[in-house]
Amino acid sequence: AQKITQTQPGMFVQEKEAVTLDCTYDTSDPSYGLFWYKQPSSGEMIFLIYQGSYDQQNATEGRYSLNFQKARKSANLVISASQLGDSAMYFCAMRGTYNFNKFYFGSGTKLNVKP
Amino acid sequence: KAGVTQTPRYLIKTRGQQVTLSCSPISGHRSVSWYQQTPGQGLQFLFEYFSETQRNKGNFPGRFSGRQFSNSRSEMNVSTLELGDSALYLCASSLDWREKYTEAFFGQGTRLTVV
Repeated sequence: AQKITQTQPGMFVQEKEAVTLDCTYDTSDPSYGLFWYKQPSSGEMIFLIYQGSYDQQNATEGRYSLNFQKARKSANLVISASQLGDSAMYFCAMRGTYNFNKFYFGSGTKLNVKP
Repeated sequence: KAGVTQTPRYLIKTRGQQVTLSCSPISGHRSVSWYQQTPGQGLQFLFEYFSETQRNKGNFPGRFSGRQFSNSRSEMNVSTLELGDSALYLCASSLDWREKYTEAFFGQGTRLTVV
């Protein structure tokens, strides 16, 4: 079974500080990809970062980095130097070999950045 | 490069009516998948189309259907609308996972309200 777990329904962070959003997953797929998306109140899902299960290095995209620990089945998102515009819902998602392009999503984390 | 376009952005329908939503993927993407997002159920997979073929289907009643055209544009149809169908409907555009895992982009969504 494929499952994504995000255990932090809501989080607060001070502007300019770093924050880590947790994501754990379960899959029987031999090959899979892990994604993080940001969803502002407007509803659009904005792609942030991707990590392949066979990638040796952790992915980074600007202020976003993914702390991938395969043995622990975790793929935490780290946002450095938080900005007010980072306030949004964040979703961890996975797709793998056995299910074509179907995404499995976590329940999301609502991040609030305080000035 | 144009993004994923979903139309319309907002819809208000009456119970019992039917509705058709449209999704135009990024040029070159042959996979389109659809998701329903509600506060109670989160993001749920509806179906995925690749090269005009439905490859995967979620656990939704037969009132939910879709199709994909030769230009990769996709439509989803909901017949006999119920109040519980009120949701944000998102479509995702991507290359096939076998071609390139990383690219998977969402549209802005269609917010459907059933009254």
